[in-house]
Amino acid sequence: SQTIHQWPATLVQPVGSPLSLECTVEGTSNPNLYWYRQAAGRGLQLLFYSVGIGQISSEVPQNLSASRPQDRQFILSSKKLLLSDSGFYLCAWSKSPDGWSQHFGDGTRLSIL
Amino acid sequence: AQTVTQSQPEMSVQEAETVTLSCTYDTSESDYYLFWYKQPPSRQMILVIRQEAYKQQNATENRFSVNFQKAAKSFSLKISDSQLGDAAMYFCAYRSGYSNFGNEKLTFGTGTRLTIIP
Repeated sequence: SQTIHQWPATLVQPVGSPLSLECTVEGTSNPNLYWYRQAAGRGLQLLFYSVGIGQISSEVPQNLSASRPQDRQFILSSKKLLLSDSGFYLCAWSKSPDGWSQHFGDGTRLSIL
Repeated sequence: AQTVTQSQPEMSVQEAETVTLSCTYDTSESDYYLFWYKQPPSRQMILVIRQEAYKQQNATENRFSVNFQKAAKSFSLKISDSQLGDAAMYFCAYRSGYSNFGNEKLTFGTGTRLTIIP
């Protein structure tokens, strides 16, 4: 069966510090991968998605970036965090035989001080 | 571009009763998928149910069922025999059925917060 791992679960960072959130999927190959952000009490905002290694689509221009160094690894990064980057970050994967249902990780709660 | 609308920010239901959450969407496509996701206080996003647009039969998963009205572009979720563990935010989502680059993403509604009254 497929599983998705996302870490860390919580993170407290000062303004201006770098960021690296990691997401890996097991049990499948060539999945679509996604990064979402959710502000408190709000819906999900799609940040990036990837249909393959080296193929990243950015939905929202900002100081975040994403990379996919391996087939089942998706990384969300920033060189300098802003206060507005606080939120709950979710990674997800999907694949065609599963009717394109997206399956989510447990999320990372990021607080910027 | 597709849009998904959930017009009920909050709903409440007595335990063991039935509740229906509304969702409407706008699209010009004929092939697509619709989803309901549940987000409990733990904030994990959990897939509740999926509907393929080409299927006329409404999807069901145990106590959860949908009323899919393709012509009306309506996709409501019915929860029967509501339980305390059903308390969560519920999100409706749309995905294109066409596998072109740019169609792979889900479009989410703004969510409905469901409260279960003991």
